[in-house]
Amino acid sequence: AQSVSQHNHHVILSEAASLELGCNYSYGGTVNLFWYVQYPGQHLQLLLKYFSGDPLVKGIKGFEAEFIKSKFSFNLRKPSVQWSDTAEYFCAVIGGSSNTGKLIFGQGTTLQVKP
Amino acid sequence: DTGVSQDPRHKITKRGQNVTFRCDPISEHNRLYWYRQTLGQGPEFLTYFQNEAQLEKSRLLSDRFSAERPKGSFSTLEIQRTEQGDSAMYLCASSPISGRFSYEQYFGPGTRLTVT
Repeated sequence: AQSVSQHNHHVILSEAASLELGCNYSYGGTVNLFWYVQYPGQHLQLLLKYFSGDPLVKGIKGFEAEFIKSKFSFNLRKPSVQWSDTAEYFCAVIGGSSNTGKLIFGQGTTLQVKP
Repeated sequence: DTGVSQDPRHKITKRGQNVTFRCDPISEHNRLYWYRQTLGQGPEFLTYFQNEAQLEKSRLLSDRFSAERPKGSFSTLEIQRTEQGDSAMYLCASSPISGRFSYEQYFGPGTRLTVT
């Protein structure tokens, strides 16, 4: 079965620090990859996605992620975090065998940015 | 607001009671998904509709759970004889079936169920 692992469960950073959140998935075929964010009191929102092409994808609010097929990874990065980036971040995958588009999520990483 | 809406936002019920949640997807989105999220975990897939057809159900969805999307628009999720283990956030998402935004799921605010 497909699975997604997020290794960092709780990350605390100071403003202006750089961010990298790890995500690894288990499916070996074609995958579509996503990062979703949930700000306090708000619903899940799409940050960025990878379907094909350039493995470095840019999303909203200065976030980017790099798809490394050989490592089954899709790590999220931001060069300089802000207090407003405090949120929970979820990596998710749609495996190529799925024709329903259902998402398999990691367990999430809580990011706390100190002002 | 043209996003995904869910009703109610919160539901407290006693063990053994039945509950029903409603989801209104973004209009013209053919795909509709239900997920369940418990504290400290990512959402887990429950079921999927394409228009009015329920095409996939997770093994997580016991016989006490049933979902419908009768006219291919809104959907309902019913839990019969609730148990304390059913306490969770129930999320609905929708996406278009084709075009550049296909497979991009838009989530609603969720219904938080507490079973006492």
